[in-house]
Amino acid sequence: GAVVSQHPSRVICKSGTSVKIECRSLDFQATTMFWYRQFPKQSLMLMATSNEGSKATYEQGVEKDKFLINHASLTLSTLTVTSAHPEDSSFYICSARDSGGETQYFGPGTRLLVL
Amino acid sequence: GENVEQHPSTLSVQEGDSAVIKCTYSDSASNYFPWYKQELGKGPQLIIDIRSNVGEKKDQRIAVTLNKTAKHFSLHITETQPEDSAVYFCAALTGGYQKVTFGTGTKLQVIP
Repeated sequence: GAVVSQHPSRVICKSGTSVKIECRSLDFQATTMFWYRQFPKQSLMLMATSNEGSKATYEQGVEKDKFLINHASLTLSTLTVTSAHPEDSSFYICSARDSGGETQYFGPGTRLLVL
Repeated sequence: GENVEQHPSTLSVQEGDSAVIKCTYSDSASNYFPWYKQELGKGPQLIIDIRSNVGEKKDQRIAVTLNKTAKHFSLHITETQPEDSAVYFCAALTGGYQKVTFGTGTKLQVIP
């Protein structure tokens, strides 16, 4: 149980284009989902917290207009990197927390490379 | 806000030996402490967790201890195996269940 999937696992795009990453909780309902960014050999950096049906809460320094988050259902959240640039290249990981619970379950991550 | 420190940053042990990773936290309101294992190119995987009303928890070769007074908690892996090699992250969750603060990670290498 407690499986979180992400799609795509890897994506390469040209500078200036937008990329959408999906995060799904497969066997539980997630009222809260989190989006992280991870640089090589570093810890996870929380970008934003999204609650189903409401606007996401972004961490300080994260541009909400650049990283669009939608959490339209209890099993799906999406992160759209708009007008991507090479500096946006990174490993993006989502996690989901089940309703009323404490534990976060992580997806397998999405490797984004912007050329 | 919460601050979690983790030591050591790298750890090499011989297969069969034990490995210990230590973390400290700053917010006394933190009450849930998960540990994650991250293999290269993958997302973190929950391996064990402990709540503030418990001092120790064990699951086969993995154990976690919590000292609330000193605000530190540790991960113990016994009889290490090469497949234990990965980066391990400790984390702390403050009451309100809003978000988790991660430690900086420990790269564990188990030498066959």
